[in-house]
Amino acid sequence: DSGVTQTPKHLITATGQRVTLRCSPRSGDLSVYWYQQSLDQGLQFLIQYYNGEERAKGNILERFSAQQFPDLHSELNLSSLELGDSALYFCASSVALAAYNEQFFGPGTRLTVL
Amino acid sequence: GENVEQHPSTLSVQEGDSAVIKCTYSDSASNYFPWYKQELGKRPQLIIDIRSNVGEKKDQRIAVTLNKTAKHFSLHITETQPEDSAVYFCAASYNQGGKLIFGQGTELSVKP
Repeated sequence: DSGVTQTPKHLITATGQRVTLRCSPRSGDLSVYWYQQSLDQGLQFLIQYYNGEERAKGNILERFSAQQFPDLHSELNLSSLELGDSALYFCASSVALAAYNEQFFGPGTRLTVL
Repeated sequence: GENVEQHPSTLSVQEGDSAVIKCTYSDSASNYFPWYKQELGKRPQLIIDIRSNVGEKKDQRIAVTLNKTAKHFSLHITETQPEDSAVYFCAASYNQGGKLIFGQGTELSVKP
């Protein structure tokens, strides 16, 4: 157990719908990262927050958005869902901003879009 | 742009043999290179990492080497065991917030 929690574990929804994935970082970690893992794309960085502020963006679609709240938990919002959005979404956290701080991954949320 | 190439995509070895996985990164500003192990259905877990000011790092049966000039880094697993079977990901990052750019993964199978 890494100390990072993600809910829900599984999510099945239809195309065009909107979902929210939730992540709680390890106690004391200020940095939260979101990654998408699909079979043909591997692990793709989506977005990073540090202490409530957006710090880095990857190839995140405009239909996706995220935020980090004052209690440091983070939510990833996916809207106008398409079949290709089906994937495993991981949240990771680290204590600070520096690259060499180990990122601890949560168990992931498996999203299936039908 | 930021890109990490990883080879091979699959690797099958006999128990007790060594396994080597190689990665190449594109951004010369990258300065941190972690390796993650992901078992089926589970989260990626860090197994070893190396910073750009170090050429080699070893932890028991696992070692990582880095060639900054060639922008290559490699994972070496010696005396492989069946429990080493998993998907291994290399990644590269640089000190601008810590985002990781991952390789495509190597599925390692260790046959008893």
